[in-house]
Amino acid sequence: EPEVTQTPSHQVTQMGQEVILRCVPISNHLYFYWYRQILGQKVEFLVSFYNNEISEKSEIFDDQFSVERPDGSNFTLKIRSTKLEDSAMYFCASSEGLTVEAFFGQGTRLTVV
Amino acid sequence: QKEVEQDPGPLSVPEGAIVSLNCTYSNSAFQYFMWYRQYSRKGPELLMYTYSSGNKEDGRFTAQVDKSSKYISLFIRDSQPSDSATYLCAMRSNDYKLSFGAGTTVTVRA
Repeated sequence: EPEVTQTPSHQVTQMGQEVILRCVPISNHLYFYWYRQILGQKVEFLVSFYNNEISEKSEIFDDQFSVERPDGSNFTLKIRSTKLEDSAMYFCASSEGLTVEAFFGQGTRLTVV
Repeated sequence: QKEVEQDPGPLSVPEGAIVSLNCTYSNSAFQYFMWYRQYSRKGPELLMYTYSSGNKEDGRFTAQVDKSSKYISLFIRDSQPSDSATYLCAMRSNDYKLSFGAGTTVTVRA
C-alpha cells in the first residue's frame, strides 16, 4: 500500500541551527502538507503546497519556516534558527485532491537542545 | 470557543464493548470529516472519511455526522485490545487545512 515516507525519524539539533525535514509523498498525490504536534497537544496545521507554491499557511508558519519541492518526489520543510519551542513531531501529509482524505507519514521527532 | 472540541478521556472499556467517541465543532463551514487513529509517537492513520451529514460503516467502525448539531461520532464495535490508541477527529471546509480535536485516548482491556 502506498505511504508517505519521512526522514529522519528523529533529529536532534542545537538551538539556532537550521534543520531540513524530508518527505516523500504518495506518488500520484498533488497536495502536500506539513503539520506539527507538540508533545501532549493537538496536531496543528502549518502549511499546504500545491502546484509548486504555498496555497495556505497558518500563523505558526512565519519567516523561520520554508517549504520546497526540489524534485518530482521530495517535499521538504526547512526551519531556520531553531528555538527550543520548535521541539515537536512534524508530520508530512499528502492528498490526491482537495476534497479527498489526506494521508500522513510517521513523523519526524525534532528535539532542539 | 474552540473550533473543534474533543474529550481527551482517557476511556477504558473491556474487550468486546462498543467504544463511542465524539467531537463537536463551531465552524459551520466544515464539510469534510475524518477520524484518525494515532499510536504513541506515530503518525495519524486514517480510519474513516465522510462528506456532509450521514452515516458511514466500514467493518467494525461506524462514523456519524450531524451537521445540524455540529456533532460527529465514531463507534467501534466488538472492541479489541489492538484498538487501544488515541483517536483524533479532524475536519475541514473548502480550504486546505485540517482542524484536529485534542484526541481521545482509548484502552481496551483484555
